[in-house]
Amino acid sequence: GQQLNQSPQSMFIQEGEDVSMNCTSSSIFNTWLWYKQDPGEGPVLLIALYKAGELTSNGRLTAQFGITRKDSFLNISASIPSDVGIYFCAGQSSGTYKYIFGTGTRLKVLA
Amino acid sequence: EADIYQTPRYLVIGTGKKITLECSQTMGHDKMYWYQQDPGMELHLIHYSYGVNSTEKGDLSSESTVSRIRTEHFPLTLESARPSHTSQYLCASSETGTGGQPQHFGDGTRLSIL
Repeated sequence: GQQLNQSPQSMFIQEGEDVSMNCTSSSIFNTWLWYKQDPGEGPVLLIALYKAGELTSNGRLTAQFGITRKDSFLNISASIPSDVGIYFCAGQSSGTYKYIFGTGTRLKVLA
Repeated sequence: EADIYQTPRYLVIGTGKKITLECSQTMGHDKMYWYQQDPGMELHLIHYSYGVNSTEKGDLSSESTVSRIRTEHFPLTLESARPSHTSQYLCASSETGTGGQPQHFGDGTRLSIL
């Protein structure tokens, strides 16, 4: 079946540093979503992408829909301690309302 | 902003019990979903619904069942709980529309079967 691989699986960074993570697929997607999940909570939507090449920002977060439609990228600028959590990508193919979720990137920020 | 509520938040219960996890949303979303997630791991779709009286099994096989009698309500039932059912269960909903409509999640039910 379809699979989304996220990289890196986990990362430790210093407060104030920029963070980059990506999500790759063997299939083409029409929609990419990025979520953040805190411990014991449900995922919260950060950014939605609908068009190849699209670059969208939400505060310090910027995400891009890869031009091949098989990948997406999330950048966090000037990280702060509350950025700690697990970041999931999710992709949707045409003809379905279901999303495939990535394996997650676990972010830890050192103050 | 979607409002989606799950109860209970935590449940510890013995083997063999019947369990119903509740999920309700107040946004009139047609589509609802149940995911199973082990701590810190990826989400696996176990059930989804495109509307009232419509339910389908997801990508991960599950012994649970669901019903969708009302638009706002999508409960998940385990007839006889087993330790292998221990996990977090997340409910989500999304609007009807062309293009990808984002899914909005509840806070989940953390289920532990003794």
